[in-house]
Amino acid sequence: GAGVSQTPSNKVTEKGKYVELRCDPISGHTALYWYRQSLGQGPEFLIYFQGTGAADDSGLPNDRFFAVRPEGSVSTLKIQRTERGDSAVYLCASSHPETGTDTQYFGPGTRLTVL
Amino acid sequence: QKEVEQNSGPLSVPEGAIASLNCTYSDRGSQSFFWYRQYSGKSPELIMFIYSNGDKEDGRFTAQLNKASQYVSLLIRDSQPSDSATYLCAVKGNTDKLIFGTGTRLQVFP
Repeated sequence: GAGVSQTPSNKVTEKGKYVELRCDPISGHTALYWYRQSLGQGPEFLIYFQGTGAADDSGLPNDRFFAVRPEGSVSTLKIQRTERGDSAVYLCASSHPETGTDTQYFGPGTRLTVL
Repeated sequence: QKEVEQNSGPLSVPEGAIASLNCTYSDRGSQSFFWYRQYSGKSPELIMFIYSNGDKEDGRFTAQLNKASQYVSLLIRDSQPSDSATYLCAVKGNTDKLIFGTGTRLQVFP
């Protein structure tokens, strides 16, 4: 079946602009996660949704970052007033309720470049 | 001290050898431990998870966990050039987020 999909695959923007990154999880997966991976680093947790609600947003670096999942499926990560330090690959993962949050399947990521 | 530490490598092993990848973690409350493989430019792919002390084998892969020493390792037997990738160790405590190390780059040469 289809895996986690993310759009766009690449996004180039200018400093100060607003961007939206989209994640479509595997069908039936109730849990959805956003991570950010900088070059040479491991993924860094941002936020976790269980259904429509954010169960843990402790990883969001500041109030410029916001994420929604209004219908419990697709999620959008929103970044306001982008900064060069926001450049990274943004990864989305999802997990099935039966397997729990241990088996997280990652999407291909969105590479964000802030000029 | 980082929460999850890995040697960045590269670890170079000849084809057919055993590759040994190591990871230490700082939170004694960690409950679940994971190894992900990440090819260059691709997303992480789950290889194995382990919860209990001891060894867990899956094909050519063996995960080893020692909670007393806060140490988890991954052994890859009969290493192949296709195993060349970055291997990420991840840990989960009593929350649902994964804490990743920086990864170890493995190179298997023919």
